[in-house]
Amino acid sequence: SAVISQKPSRDICQRGTSLTIQCQVDSQVTMMFWYRQQPGQSLTLIATANQGSEATYESGFVIDKFPISRPNLTFSTLTVSNMSPEDSSIYLCVGATSGEQYFGPGTRLTVT
Amino acid sequence: GQSLEQPSEVTAVEGAIVQINCTYQTSGFYGLSWYQQHDGGAPTFLSYNALDGLEETGRFSSFLSRSDSYGYLLLQELQMKDSASYFCAVRGGDTGFQKLVFGTGTRLLVSP
Repeated sequence: SAVISQKPSRDICQRGTSLTIQCQVDSQVTMMFWYRQQPGQSLTLIATANQGSEATYESGFVIDKFPISRPNLTFSTLTVSNMSPEDSSIYLCVGATSGEQYFGPGTRLTVT
Repeated sequence: GQSLEQPSEVTAVEGAIVQINCTYQTSGFYGLSWYQQHDGGAPTFLSYNALDGLEETGRFSSFLSRSDSYGYLLLQELQMKDSASYFCAVRGGDTGFQKLVFGTGTRLLVSP
């Protein structure tokens, strides 16, 4: 199994600013993903973080708004850029190996 | 497109049995997972069905019928701590084996 940690656990940010969320896995995982959960909603996949190359974004999400890095097999960052109140959500990092997905504790972001 | 439908809310009393249904429509399918999420927390994995039939894990069971694109989560001997949101999620869909497409979520309220 894998244990995933995220920093920060929560933050309150002003509109127009950016926040970088870090995700650390305690063991190697094949794939890493970033999900978003808006208040009272389900989870939506933002992108797949690819090691050493550009992330693969899902429909409706773009690199300029959500730049992602994954410099090695156990670490990834997600930046939420030029934030607006609509970006207030929980952002979740997920690590996956064959057959198993491991969720991080999430980062609760509030944009004022 | 892809869609997973669940009832929005289910209520039950302690000690009862409740079934949460999930119908899905995806272009690809590797399996159906279930997750529990308490308010303010991250989703936690409950079960996974890749093949038709019933999987039992303690008080929780999950069922899948691939021909009907349907599954359910069965919770027995309900306890107050079972009050949470429950999400079904298709593994794969048309986006790859390791990715999850989440259902709309069911809020379970357990009363004394």
